[in-house]
Amino acid sequence: DAMVIQNPRYQVTQFGKPVTLSCSQTLNHNVMYWYQQKSSQAPKLLFHYYDKDFNNEADTPDNFQSRRPNTSFCFLDIRSPGLGDAAMYLCATSSGTSGRVQETQYFGPGTRLLVL
Amino acid sequence: LAKTTQPISMDSYEGQEVNITCSHNNIATNDYITWYQQFPSQGPRFIIQGYKTKVTNEVASLFIPADRKSSTLSLPRVSLSDTAVYYCLVGDITGGGNKLTFGTGTQLKVEL
Repeated sequence: DAMVIQNPRYQVTQFGKPVTLSCSQTLNHNVMYWYQQKSSQAPKLLFHYYDKDFNNEADTPDNFQSRRPNTSFCFLDIRSPGLGDAAMYLCATSSGTSGRVQETQYFGPGTRLLVL
Repeated sequence: LAKTTQPISMDSYEGQEVNITCSHNNIATNDYITWYQQFPSQGPRFIIQGYKTKVTNEVASLFIPADRKSSTLSLPRVSLSDTAVYYCLVGDITGGGNKLTFGTGTQLKVEL
């Protein structure tokens, strides 16, 4: 089945130690998104790619970076994780051209990040 | 700061109709409104989408008034498996941009 895969499902890191979260997709979608979801809160968009075109949200901290080496893979890099970065990180894809609401998003299961 | 708001929680019984409203005063003019369902430890899943008036699919209906500043997700005859968090998603133009913004989410609990 075509899907969005996130590895690992759980990631533990130390305060200040860089960490990378991975997302892959077999849907061949143009757009890939990264969201942060803290406990009992809604997902918050960090950034998205349309193909290789990177679109950063204005309120996304510089501590968060992303790479998309090809259509199938996208990575979220947290350069110096703080305790406040502990959250579920969700990857999503859509098949449109703009990353707008009307493009149905397909989400992965998420990676839960714990910062010690 | 304007937010896209929903009731925090709703309780229902199996077989009843449930209506969940989202308030989105700063919605982008040309954007649709989409609703997602999320179970614990899973990513959100698409339910329904619309631009105005009423949209219906096999699982839900979506009602959008003419001013588009709110929308109502209607779930007919809910079952225990509909217990989940429901989010609306809009393009929010607060501050001059157009940001994909999830509503605050509504925890629906369905009981026997």
